[in-house]
Amino acid sequence: DAKTTQPPSMDCAEGRAANLPCNHSTISGNEYVYWYRQIHSQGPQYIIHGLKNNETNEMASLIITEDRKSSTLILPHATLRDTAVYYCIVRAFFSNTGNQFYFGTGTSLTVIP
Amino acid sequence: KAGVTQTPRYLIKTRGQQVTLSCSPISGHRSVSWYQQTPGQGLQFLFEYFSETQRNKGNFPGRFSGRQFSNSRSEMNVSTLELGDSALYLCASSVDQRTDTQYFGPGTRLTVL
Repeated sequence: DAKTTQPPSMDCAEGRAANLPCNHSTISGNEYVYWYRQIHSQGPQYIIHGLKNNETNEMASLIITEDRKSSTLILPHATLRDTAVYYCIVRAFFSNTGNQFYFGTGTSLTVIP
Repeated sequence: KAGVTQTPRYLIKTRGQQVTLSCSPISGHRSVSWYQQTPGQGLQFLFEYFSETQRNKGNFPGRFSGRQFSNSRSEMNVSTLELGDSALYLCASSVDQRTDTQYFGPGTRLTVL
């Protein structure tokens, strides 16, 4: 699985969009990009995932560049409850490799009132 | 639909003891993965079970073991506890081996004294 690079920390003003970048320059064609977040000492929460097209759900949007070497998670209107560590994960889709995610160090997002 | 549940939520043990942690996956999910999270090492994969078979194992000593039952519930066991085993132990479930989206439980906080 390709490794990811994320900034260690970011701040965002409450009510503004939070844009969290992720670099995955060695991603392969069959590898998905997943985003999870973890609020202090709780289990990671699934946010969104995608392969090549941009994706949107009720929580966030995922923008993947055309060459798929980077992506951005967008929280459209950040609230204080979005303060968490955000993990970008690249995961190959092979049925025989099981569900092992490499979480990396993530980005600590602080939403400021 | 109920989420992943883990019991107990908190546990205090002493060195040399053993401990068993339990995980009940989301109804209909057949894959269960276990992770260890510590401040120094972050989230590390322990093992994954699917249909009562261990499919993947992380780089942990043999003191860490697990099993899965026919109802997909899983347990992990740590024998001869060491101080360094103090961590948050997280369980995640997914539908099957073709679906990589994992949903995490709240974790069990183990403290070894």
